[in-house]
Order: sequence, then C-alpha cells, then structure tokens
Amino acid sequence: DIQMTQSPSILSASVGDRVTITCRASQSISYLLAWYQQKPGKAPRLLIYDASNLESGVPSRFIGSGSGIEFTLTIHSLQPDDFATYYCQQYNSYSPWTFGQGTKVEIK
Amino acid sequence: QVQLQESGPGMVKPSQTLSLMCAVSGDSISSGNNYWSWIRQPPGKGLEWIGYIYYNGNTFYNPSLKTRVTILVDTSKNQFSLKLNSVTAADTAVYYCARAGIGGLDYWGQGTLVTVSS
Repeated sequence: DIQMTQSPSILSASVGDRVTITCRASQSISYLLAWYQQKPGKAPRLLIYDASNLESGVPSRFIGSGSGIEFTLTIHSLQPDDFATYYCQQYNSYSPWTFGQGTKVEIK
Repeated sequence: QVQLQESGPGMVKPSQTLSLMCAVSGDSISSGNNYWSWIRQPPGKGLEWIGYIYYNGNTFYNPSLKTRVTILVDTSKNQFSLKLNSVTAADTAVYYCARAGIGGLDYWGQGTLVTVSS
C-alpha cells in the first residue's frame, strides 16, 4: 500500500499568515492527490484535486502543488474560517486509497 | 445539487454485522461517471478509506478490512450499502459515504456515528 505522511501534525499560525502543509507518498502517485479541509463534527470538504486543481467554490488562497512523491498545500493569508484539520489523500488507480494522518491548523 | 445520506443503526453489538445504506440524490449511480465510496473516522482520529464500488458492481476494498467488508450497489434505488462483519470496539467510528468524481471525493454525506458496544 502507498503510505502518505503529512507534516507537521499541528501548525500554529495567525490570521494573515502564509502556511504550508507537506504530504509525502511512499512511492510515486503522479498527480493523483487531493486535499481536504475538515472542521469538528463536519464531513471533509474537497479543496484541491489532481494535486493542483482548485475545486469549484474554494477560495483562491488555497494553492496545491507537487507531483510524484512530494506535495504541498499552501494557504495564502490565513483567514479565521481556515482554522481546521487538513488531510491529503492519494487515489492511485492500482492501489488502495490512503489518507495522510492530518494537520491541525490552530490559532497561535 | 448532489446529496448523499447515510442511514443505519447507531449501535451494533460486538461480533455482529454493521450495515449502512447511502442514498444518493442529484446524480445517477448508473451513469457510470463516478465511484461510490465509504470512509470512516474513529472518534478523535484520522480518516480511513474502506472501499468503493462502481455502478456495475466492481469493488475495491482496503486490504486491512477486505475479509470483513462488502459494498453493494442498487442502481434501481440509486443507493449503495456497506456491510462490515465481526465488528469490535475498534470499528466504532463516524462512517461517511462519498462520491469519487474526476479527482478526489467531491461530495460527502454528513456521516453517521456507529458505536460497537454490548
């Protein structure tokens, strides 16, 4: 199975900061990676698919990049609504899908 | 507007079978444009993919659950289901159904908490 390792596990930041979350795959997944935002008691929300494509309705301050084994999610100018937990997920067609362990973005 | 809604018992006894249904509206499972997936999240923990099904019944399961999981589709009712047998306390989680679109899981149900307890 493909393992997804996210870092950091917790990120403390302030409104207006630029934050970056990294996701590393145990083997190449090309561009087959998604990013989700989850708030307490809610289902995850798709933010980015195919590593860098912004899902409809998602603010443009969310930027996804990377390919192969290393990926990043950058949030430019963090907003109060962005404090949440973020997950990466690979969806390689020939492997079981797997999620990263999550990164909690909290208020500094 | 695509919507998914999970339903099923909120509590299951150890060693029994967990059964959940996911009703889909706003999209047709039989269109063949998407995969239909189950994901779970134990309280306070991360997300775990359980498996997915295609409109024709083809499935792909998480190897760690494969021996206990069955996902079925009923295109006539536009719904799909999850069965997980021989449950233990470790299977206590919020269970989500979701649609896998062109990339990633783009529509999710609200989730349903299933507790395994005697």
